[in-house]
Amino acid sequence: KQEVTQIPAALSVPEGENLVLNCSFTDSAIYNLQWFRQDPGKGLTSLLLIQSSQREQTSGRLNASLDKSSGRSTLYIAASQPGDSATYLCAVRPNSGNTPLVFGKGTRLSVIA
Amino acid sequence: EPEVTQTPSHQVTQMGQEVILRCVPISNHLYFYWYRQILGQKVEFLVSFYNNEISEKSEIFDDQFSVERPDGSNFTLKIRSTKLEDSAMYFCASTRLRDSSYNSPLHFGNGTRLTVT
Repeated sequence: KQEVTQIPAALSVPEGENLVLNCSFTDSAIYNLQWFRQDPGKGLTSLLLIQSSQREQTSGRLNASLDKSSGRSTLYIAASQPGDSATYLCAVRPNSGNTPLVFGKGTRLSVIA
Repeated sequence: EPEVTQTPSHQVTQMGQEVILRCVPISNHLYFYWYRQILGQKVEFLVSFYNNEISEKSEIFDDQFSVERPDGSNFTLKIRSTKLEDSAMYFCASTRLRDSSYNSPLHFGNGTRLTVT
């Protein structure tokens, strides 16, 4: 059974720092991996999706990498801002098709001005 | 940008009552999902839906749950007889492609917070 773990559970950094959030998954046979942002009491906003054949995806200050063989993904946030404060969730799709996502518990990020 | 919309944002109900949570997926999307998140826990899959039938469901999605697409726009989750442990945030999601890709990631609504008393 696929398990997704995110470390650390919480992170607090000063504004302007570059930071890395980690995600690991137990079964490397995934179809894709998606990073989401969740603001308190809100839904999930898709940030980046990496197909299993890809190594990384970039969007603005965000860069997500995927090392499928080692079961790891990282989300790199450059020049962090207070507006980046949120919970970041990693989710894997185990197989192709309509299979459900398996989520990690998230990393709660606080960026201090 | 198109959004998945969910109503109500917050629903309070008494144990044993029926609730219907409503979702309007993005208009050109074909695959629909319900997930839930108990406070402080992981987001968990409930059910997926395509072509007017359930594609897959988790062990959470027992006989008390049902889904329906009553018209071309709405997608509903019904809980027939709510229990205290059904209290959670319920998220609807949709995607255009069967195999979600960077061109068609999974889009989530803002959720309905269900409180069962």
